[in-house]
Amino acid sequence: EAGVTQFPSHSVIEKGQTVTLRCDPISGHDNLYWYRRVMGKEIKFLLHFVKESKQDESGMPNNRFLAERTGGTYSTLKVQPAELEDSGVYFCASSLERAAQNDEQYFGPGTRLTVT
Amino acid sequence: LAKTTQPISMDSYEGQEVNITCSHNNIATNDYITWYQQFPSQGPRFIIQGYKTKVTNEVASLFIPADRKSSTLSLPRVSLSDTAVYYCLVGDRFSGGYNKLIFGAGTRLAVHP
Repeated sequence: EAGVTQFPSHSVIEKGQTVTLRCDPISGHDNLYWYRRVMGKEIKFLLHFVKESKQDESGMPNNRFLAERTGGTYSTLKVQPAELEDSGVYFCASSLERAAQNDEQYFGPGTRLTVT
Repeated sequence: LAKTTQPISMDSYEGQEVNITCSHNNIATNDYITWYQQFPSQGPRFIIQGYKTKVTNEVASLFIPADRKSSTLSLPRVSLSDTAVYYCLVGDRFSGGYNKLIFGAGTRLAVHP
């Protein structure tokens, strides 16, 4: 079974440009999460989808970030316009269901975003 | 979510048992304790989860005392490939708080030949 995949693995853009990150969760996982680690800091939660609905977006830093999950399958995270402080590694994770006995989150390899 | 405290780093040698202790003095009644492992250039990976006493799987054991204010992740006979960052997380599995994993700095384990 394929794990969580993320694309691209690395993106380098200039300040002010737009970047879209993609996450494909494990097939059948209703829950999808975005996290990020900026330089020198801890991994921080961004938001949580249950199917196509945003369950919790309390970690989204500002309105330059837009996450979507149309159809409840893959998700995209768009940063527009990108700022220098957005540089970091963006992780996506998915899980089967919240109340399951083992509701561990499966993480993708991350997308390293560099804003210059 | 309960705040956790764990050592910043640890060193060990191949074949030794490694115990990483995490303090969570303010753990709530409904909170579970979960450990994740992260290798360089990869996302975190679930290792083990428990509520009380002892939990064991093919990778590790988790020891939780009766007061649940701390927990110890035990890795038997580590190898070089166990070099990674280990995160202790505490949260309520059945509320929104658990779904939002809160990572601390973790413990950077270095296994030497």
